[in-house]
Amino acid sequence: QLQLQESGPGLVKPSETLSLTCTVSGGSISSSSYYWGWIRQPPGKGLEWIGSIYYSGSTYYNPSLKSRVTISVDTSKNQFSLKLSSVTAADTAVYYCARFSGTLDYWGQGTLVTVSS
Amino acid sequence: QSVLTQPPSASGTPGQRVTISCSGSSSNIGSNTVNWYQQLPGTAPKLLIYSNNQRPSGVPDRFSGSKSGTSASLAISGLQSEDEADYYCAAWDDSLNGSWVFGGGTKLTVL
Repeated sequence: QLQLQESGPGLVKPSETLSLTCTVSGGSISSSSYYWGWIRQPPGKGLEWIGSIYYSGSTYYNPSLKSRVTISVDTSKNQFSLKLSSVTAADTAVYYCARFSGTLDYWGQGTLVTVSS
Repeated sequence: QSVLTQPPSASGTPGQRVTISCSGSSSNIGSNTVNWYQQLPGTAPKLLIYSNNQRPSGVPDRFSGSKSGTSASLAISGLQSEDEADYYCAAWDDSLNGSWVFGGGTKLTVL
């Protein structure tokens, strides 16, 4: 059974860079059939796609976040990562990693990241 | 402001049939398939319907999806108390360089 697990700091200071890693188990991140990516959900609000990456490294980013987002992949560790720079309180959210296969069919449990000094 | 438009709330009594709508445009629902997700309180979203009307293994046939033009609907028949959750629609959007877009979510209350 495929599992995804987010990890990273739960508290980030304003203007700094948020960094999260998603570890994939029960399947290979190098499968040619899938993209991998990030979605976030501010407290009490809806879902927002951040971006996606293919195992080869090709990426798609949400246009509204593109200038601040970098998603990378490490196939040797079966992991992919998110970096979001210049964060503000508006970036406080639960961050989910997920597999994209024409739909988002597997999700991590999510990790809350709070932006506060 | 979400790209896909859903009603913020819906409700029904046990056993009833309820529907949740999702309205988009030609660049998303009009040209791509629609997916639906169920999010129980404090948990990650779970795939409920994919490719407009397909159910993943394990999803009861009480849940069904449909699409017409630039709109889609999720129907839940034989409503149960455990169906109380937030429901989101999602689709790929071909505008700009492409992106996944979501509805704002519908809070379903079982009365």
